[in-house]
Amino acid sequence: DTAVSQTPKYLVTQMGNDKSIKCEQNLGHDTMYWYKQDSKKFLKIMFSYNNKELIINETVPNRFSPKSPDKAHLNLHINSLELGDSAVYFCASSQDGTGHNEQFFGPGTRLTVL
Amino acid sequence: AQSVSQHNHHVILSEAASLELGCNYSYGGTVNLFWYVQYPGQHLQLLLKYFSGDPLVKGIKGFEAEFIKSKFSFNLRKPSVQWSDTAEYFCAVIRRGGGADGLTFGKGTHLIIQP
Repeated sequence: DTAVSQTPKYLVTQMGNDKSIKCEQNLGHDTMYWYKQDSKKFLKIMFSYNNKELIINETVPNRFSPKSPDKAHLNLHINSLELGDSAVYFCASSQDGTGHNEQFFGPGTRLTVL
Repeated sequence: AQSVSQHNHHVILSEAASLELGCNYSYGGTVNLFWYVQYPGQHLQLLLKYFSGDPLVKGIKGFEAEFIKSKFSFNLRKPSVQWSDTAEYFCAVIRRGGGADGLTFGKGTHLIIQP
């Protein structure tokens, strides 16, 4: 059983399009995250979502919006895609929002904007 | 805000060599520390973590790390590397009670083990 799953694994799209990446965790965790890994492999937190509270990294453009239909899902919607959005996006989850637990990562979604 | 510095961006070693990857963090409060590994084309996996107690922690696959509070360091070590250790290694911190902030990662060290 995959603990944290993401779909799709690869996403190729044109500039200006709107796209979504889905994330699901079956670990019963309370907190979920989205990270962006750029072409130099640098990982940066984008969002965390815990108990209906969304925390946004202030550097993330408002074209990005996470949506959580329930505790097990945190989907990422991206509007008006730009070339600079090309990256690998990782979803993660942890038991709670204390920082005292390991984060489990999904397999990543490689987004390419043409 | 926290920051993490990994000293070596690229490391090339031969099999059986000993490994030490440096990691320093900057933060005025208490943090929890992690090392994650990313094998080629795969997701991040936890190697080891330090929250409190014995500053020498052991992880999977023969890795260990030592937390030195006075130096704000959490260096990763392995006495004898294998070809299969070729991967990207990330040091990360999270402030105690700040799980909602997410992990702050270093820029990673690309480790290549030559047979």
